[in-house]
Amino acid sequence: TQLLEQSPQFLSIQEGENLTVYCNSSSVFSSLQWYRQEPGEGPVLLVTVVTGGEVKKLKRLTFQFGDARKDSSLHITAAQPGDTGLYLCAGLLVYNQGGKLIFGQGTELSVKP
Amino acid sequence: NAGVMQNPRHLVRRRGQEARLRCSPMKGHSHVYWYRQLPEEGLKFMVYLQKENIIDESGMPKERFSAEFPKEGPSILRIQQVVRGDSAAYFCASSPPLALYNEQFFGPGTRLTVL
Repeated sequence: TQLLEQSPQFLSIQEGENLTVYCNSSSVFSSLQWYRQEPGEGPVLLVTVVTGGEVKKLKRLTFQFGDARKDSSLHITAAQPGDTGLYLCAGLLVYNQGGKLIFGQGTELSVKP
Repeated sequence: NAGVMQNPRHLVRRRGQEARLRCSPMKGHSHVYWYRQLPEEGLKFMVYLQKENIIDESGMPKERFSAEFPKEGPSILRIQQVVRGDSAAYFCASSPPLALYNEQFFGPGTRLTVL
């Protein structure tokens, strides 16, 4: 059974602080996708990391894929209240030209002004 | 280009009734996935479909649940004789064929409440 352990589950910080969310697994994934979900809405894809050791930046968000493609991290610099939301990592298992996503439990981030 | 469409957004059913959830994938996408998000739990894979084929239904309960993706029309997730434990948010995602990274794009979900 493939599992993704995401930590921390809850994070409450002040505006301007930095934070890191971790996603760890004992399984190797074809790729890892990070999503953000607002209450009452579906997950919105932020980024996909594919290559071991890959680093991608999206404004103040930095995503890293571990060398062995088993773990990933999301780092937010100078967090803002607009970053508040549920962040989800998901590992992709590819087959039949598609595949299924294995999701972590999510990190509920609250950024206070 | 419209995103993944799901309807209804909210559905209320009494125990024993049937629930039908619809999903129209993004234009050009031929792969559809259904996920369930229970309260206080993460998103769990249910089923993976391509046009007229069920590829993987390993995450779907063996009884009362079925899914289809016909040649024409939306994908349907059907829950017969609903029970209170079926109350959850059901999300559909789609991806294009032969996608480089098989990225999945999600719809807004259907929130099912069983009374």
